[in-house]
Amino acid sequence: GAVVSQHPSRVICKSGTSVKIECRSLDFQATTMFWYRQFPKQSLMLMATSNEGSKATYEQGVEKDKFLINHASLTLSTLTVTSAHPEDSSFYICSARDPEGTAFGSGTRLTVV
Amino acid sequence: DQQVKQNSPSLSVQEGRISILNCDYTNSMFDYFLWYKKYPAEGPTFLISISSIKDKNEDGRFTVFLNKSAKHLSLHIVPSQPGDSAVYFCAASAGGGSNYKLTFGKGTLLTVNP
Repeated sequence: GAVVSQHPSRVICKSGTSVKIECRSLDFQATTMFWYRQFPKQSLMLMATSNEGSKATYEQGVEKDKFLINHASLTLSTLTVTSAHPEDSSFYICSARDPEGTAFGSGTRLTVV
Repeated sequence: DQQVKQNSPSLSVQEGRISILNCDYTNSMFDYFLWYKKYPAEGPTFLISISSIKDKNEDGRFTVFLNKSAKHLSLHIVPSQPGDSAVYFCAASAGGGSNYKLTFGKGTLLTVNP
């Protein structure tokens, strides 16, 4: 099946710095990718829909200037958490549309200290 | 407003018995439903799905039942195995099958005891 690679799997950063998370479709082209966020014991909350070559569509309540999404190619979407704060600590997961459905990345555990 | 609800945060069953995970939804526009399995610090993996035109879909040990009038679906795992222990998420989409944005429930932690 389709494989989505997400990197890094774990990152610890200082408050105020920026962190970039990459999501790659390895064996298919993904015109659309999705970014989710999961807090402990909570559901995966959709943050934004990333479309190749155009601006991302953000869900209500998600700050687009804080969570920068770039989908510059058909195989790569990046999420940059800018000026990270401890409350941004969470598990971030990307997914991509493939011909058979939706494939998920393995997630990134972000800890802001 | 939680559009997809999994009211049981956890479920414990004995190996070999049936596991039944429940999910309710409120949005009548949802027409495609999926179940995902998730281990800690990993992304969800797809298990089984069902379109709203069906009321049952079966794949090996996994069966999903959909009751549209009650806006309720359930995942049955028979027989349950210790390796099934994980968090199970119910997800739904409207108008795009599994290729559209998904709304997830909070998940149910299933523990299968040997």
